[in-house]
Amino acid sequence: GAVVSQHPSWVICKSGTSVKIECRSLDFQATTMFWYRQFPKQSLMLMATSNEGSKATYEQGVEKDKFLINHASLTLSTLTVTSAHPEDSSFYICSASIHPVVTFFGQGTRLTVV
Amino acid sequence: DQQVKQNSPSLSVQEGRISILNCDYTNSMFDYFLWYKKYPAEGPTFLISISSIKDKNEDGRFTVFLNKSAKHLSLHIVPSQPGDSAVYFCAASGVDFGNEKLTFGTGTRLTIIP
Repeated sequence: GAVVSQHPSWVICKSGTSVKIECRSLDFQATTMFWYRQFPKQSLMLMATSNEGSKATYEQGVEKDKFLINHASLTLSTLTVTSAHPEDSSFYICSASIHPVVTFFGQGTRLTVV
Repeated sequence: DQQVKQNSPSLSVQEGRISILNCDYTNSMFDYFLWYKKYPAEGPTFLISISSIKDKNEDGRFTVFLNKSAKHLSLHIVPSQPGDSAVYFCAASGVDFGNEKLTFGTGTRLTIIP
């Protein structure tokens, strides 16, 4: 079946550094990928929609300069958390669709900023 | 403004009995609903979905019921098994939301008691 791979699964970084998270669709082409963030005991919050070959669409309240999204190919989208701070520590999940409403999720990335 | 709500943060059910997870939504433009299962530190896994033109969809042990007039859906799992212990998210989508864009509820942690 369709698989979405996310890497790394966990990362610890120092405050002020940048972290890149990759999301790959392994056996299908995804013109649109999505990035979500989950805080403890809270829902998955959509951060942005990543569009291949064009700029990402960010949800209200998400800083586009802080969370850089690049969707350079039909199988890869990247999320870069720039100048990370402890409050950016969270669980980040990407997803991709092969059908309008059936979405496959990556394994998620646990980011800890110290 | 939480457009998709799961009012029970947790639920415990005896193994073999029926588990019923509930979800309410406020936006009448949603026309497709999905349930996802999530283990800690993993991405959500798709379980079952239902279109607004139906009121019931069944897949093995999982049945989703939709009551459009009440803007309410529920997931029934019967019989419940220990492996069903996880967090369950309902999600909603619709044409006006770009189809693939999902709005999630806050989740219900289901614990199956052996």
